[in-house]
Amino acid sequence: DQQVKQNSPSLSVQEGRISILNCDYTNSMFDYFLWYKKYPAEGPTFLISISSIKDKNEDGRFTVFLNKSAKHLSLHIVPSQPGDSAVYFCAASASLYNFNKFYFGSGTKLNVKP
Amino acid sequence: KAGVTQTPRYLIKTRGQQVTLSCSPISGHRSVSWYQQTPGQGLQFLFEYFSETQRNKGNFPGRFSGRQFSNSRSEMNVSTLELGDSALYLCASSGGELSYEQYFGPGTRLTVT
Repeated sequence: DQQVKQNSPSLSVQEGRISILNCDYTNSMFDYFLWYKKYPAEGPTFLISISSIKDKNEDGRFTVFLNKSAKHLSLHIVPSQPGDSAVYFCAASASLYNFNKFYFGSGTKLNVKP
Repeated sequence: KAGVTQTPRYLIKTRGQQVTLSCSPISGHRSVSWYQQTPGQGLQFLFEYFSETQRNKGNFPGRFSGRQFSNSRSEMNVSTLELGDSALYLCASSGGELSYEQYFGPGTRLTVT
């Protein structure tokens, strides 16, 4: 049951431009969302999170937007840098019911061209 | 602070065998979660342990089991290995009972032949 979907397996952007990575979910009970970045041969690294009481959260160059009615979240990276090239995963949890049980998307591979 | 460590990093097993993977969380972290990553499937949640108790469980068959020790180290066991069990197994630790931020280890690459 793929409750979290990342429909774009890959994305290529120019250095300095905006990268927008998208994520959709189906379970309306999800109330906490995270984004991770993964380099080859390493485990995922936590990037940014958002709870359902917010619709936006910023951390430096990274901003996550949540649209609960559309069950959609997106990660914006501005400006994109070559070091951002990695696989990005979104994850969701229904914290009231299954704390720390996260459902992950299949990932989007971002390539930032110099 | 040392990160999450997983041993072994690589493992080759034969169908029908069993395997045990180990995860040492960040010092002070009491929650350990296990995930299976296969190509195109993303990370799939196996189970989570907190203070030696399984707190959450994913949709995997009973061949997949785990445990957590009093020092928070965790082991995952897969019995009667199948070819489809070939994957990267990741563990993640988080501090505190209500902490969402998970820190992942580098994973154990299991190949079943």
